[in-house]
Amino acid sequence: EAGVTQFPSHSVIEKGQTVTLRCDPISGHDNLYWYRRVMGKEIKFLLHFVKESKQDESGMPNNRFLAERTGGTYSTLKVQPAELEDSGVYFCASSKLTGPPDEKLFFGSGTQLSVL
Amino acid sequence: DAKTTQPPSMDCAEGRAANLPCNHSTISGNEYVYWYRQIHSQGPQYIIHGLKNNETNEMASLIITEDRKSSTLILPHATLRDTAVYYCIVNNNAGNMLTFGGGTRLMVKP
Repeated sequence: EAGVTQFPSHSVIEKGQTVTLRCDPISGHDNLYWYRRVMGKEIKFLLHFVKESKQDESGMPNNRFLAERTGGTYSTLKVQPAELEDSGVYFCASSKLTGPPDEKLFFGSGTQLSVL
Repeated sequence: DAKTTQPPSMDCAEGRAANLPCNHSTISGNEYVYWYRQIHSQGPQYIIHGLKNNETNEMASLIITEDRKSSTLILPHATLRDTAVYYCIVNNNAGNMLTFGGGTRLMVKP
């Protein structure tokens, strides 16, 4: 079974540019999450999709970040325009819709974003 | 969700048991204890979870004290590949409420 796939693995852009990160969850997983770790900080929740609907986007830092999951399959996270403080590792995770307590998140390897 | 406290780092000799403690003194009755780990350059990986009974799976054992204010993750025979940051998380919701603290950086040494 394929795991959670994230693309690209690394992205280097200049401040003010746009970057789009992609996440392909495990097939059949209705839940999809985005997390990120910025330099020196802890891993933080960004948002949660159930199928194509945003269940919780309370962790999105500001309106420069836009996440989509059209069709309830893969998801994209766009940063426009990127700022220096957006540098970090962006993780995607997916899970089956089983709810607590047995929900296990499967994480991708992340996208390392560097904004120069 | 309850906060957790973990030692920032620990060492363990290869082949020995690694015992990673976690304090969660403000845990409420419906909150579960979850453990994840992050190996360098990878995403976090689920290990185990429990409510009040001890749990064991192919990766580890979880011992939760009777008052549920602390727990210990046990890797019975640590290998070099177990070197990672281990996160103890208490949660009563779906994954959107996973709050990763600083974790414990476990170094398994030959």
